[in-house]
Amino acid sequence: DAMVIQNPRYQVTQFGKPVTLSCSQTLNHNVMYWYQQKSSQAPKLLFHYYDKDFNNEADTPDNFQSRRPNTSFCFLDIRSPGLGDAAMYLCATSRVSFGGHLNEKLFFGSGTQLSVL
Amino acid sequence: GNSVTQMEGPVTLSEEAFLTINCTYTATGYPSLFWYVQYPGEGLQLLLKATKADDKGSNKGFEATYRKETTSFHLEKGSVQVSDSAVYFCALTSTKTSYDKVIFGPGTSLSVIP
Repeated sequence: DAMVIQNPRYQVTQFGKPVTLSCSQTLNHNVMYWYQQKSSQAPKLLFHYYDKDFNNEADTPDNFQSRRPNTSFCFLDIRSPGLGDAAMYLCATSRVSFGGHLNEKLFFGSGTQLSVL
Repeated sequence: GNSVTQMEGPVTLSEEAFLTINCTYTATGYPSLFWYVQYPGEGLQLLLKATKADDKGSNKGFEATYRKETTSFHLEKGSVQVSDSAVYFCALTSTKTSYDKVIFGPGTSLSVIP
């Protein structure tokens, strides 16, 4: 029944070694988001896709990239992870209606906990 | 800009105690307001929402009323259970700005002890 699935649940990488986190959804939602959540902090939006259109937050480091090859899948690529990138990464989806208003909920995956050694 | 402020935690309560978690916001336009809950080791899930002033959202015994005059959306529950132990996030989206912005507060950790 899982609707937003993130793999892996835990990911360990080495300092500077590229890593990819994946997210898939069975909801057919048109918007997919990536959030970074550090311990005891609010989730921070990194970027999102509205269909195929990529929208980056102004303060998201260039080290973070994303791909959405189709409606169901979205990937987060960290090109050169630093110690400060250790965090929980949350994928979320939503359906945004024509006109762009979001007043419905986000559906979150369980997250991927990234450790950088 | 838009922002959300929550009372600091952690909050520790005994089972069956009354819960209030304060949330205030700053926003342009007429935001929709949400409470999300995050159980240990899981992602966030929507607890309740309100989309216009004076609306009351409710779910699983939790309630929150959208108060435009005080720009608040306080979360309440009359009798908490151990299973309510989690982190609670107040959030908003503004219908007058870009649809994509879901602004989360810093979260309030709740521990309920038997």
